[in-house]
Amino acid sequence: DGGITQSPKYLFRKEGQNVTLSCEQNLNHDAMYWYRQDPGQGLRLIYYSQIVNDFQKGDIAEGYSVSREKKESFPLTVTSAQKNPTAFYLCASSRQGGSTGELFFGEGSRLTVL
Amino acid sequence: GESVGLHLPTLSVQEGDNSIINCAYSNSASDYFIWYKQESGKGPQFIIDIRSNMDKRQGQRVTVLLNKTVKHLSLQIAATQPGDSAVYFCAETDTGRRALTFGSGTRLQVQP
Repeated sequence: DGGITQSPKYLFRKEGQNVTLSCEQNLNHDAMYWYRQDPGQGLRLIYYSQIVNDFQKGDIAEGYSVSREKKESFPLTVTSAQKNPTAFYLCASSRQGGSTGELFFGEGSRLTVL
Repeated sequence: GESVGLHLPTLSVQEGDNSIINCAYSNSASDYFIWYKQESGKGPQFIIDIRSNMDKRQGQRVTVLLNKTVKHLSLQIAATQPGDSAVYFCAETDTGRRALTFGSGTRLQVQP
């Protein structure tokens, strides 16, 4: 079945460590996104990529980095520069970027900093 | 700045009743709106969408109403079931923007 796979589902990190969250999609979608969700809040855009080898900062990109070397993959690295990284991270994709259709979401990765 | 928000953080309804979840948006240029459902610990799931050239769209047990005059969006769920319990988000964007902007969500609790 087509879909978006995020891993790991749960991740614990010590302060000062970088961690990378994986996101893979087999929907042949051009655009991919990373959102952060904090308890009781909506989703905030971290980074997005509308095409391979290109990506743009979202509203809260500081302390995060991404790459888009393959159409199917859009990994997110949470660096030690991110001051409050504990959150639920959601990856999504869409056929095209912008206002052209719905986002399909993965099941999320919950990161906890110890 | 432009934002999308929700009037009620929690809505509690009896099983079988109809539910109405509201959303206000401030970007007058928004032309595409989506409702998502998020169950605990999972990613959001698409429910229904509507474009600004429409004021009503119906799906299976769900209806979305759009009032562009007052920049208001609502999701109606008919005959609410326990499986409808979740957090519901509205999201919006306009042509040329980079991604959807999400509201803060409304938790729907269905009482048996």
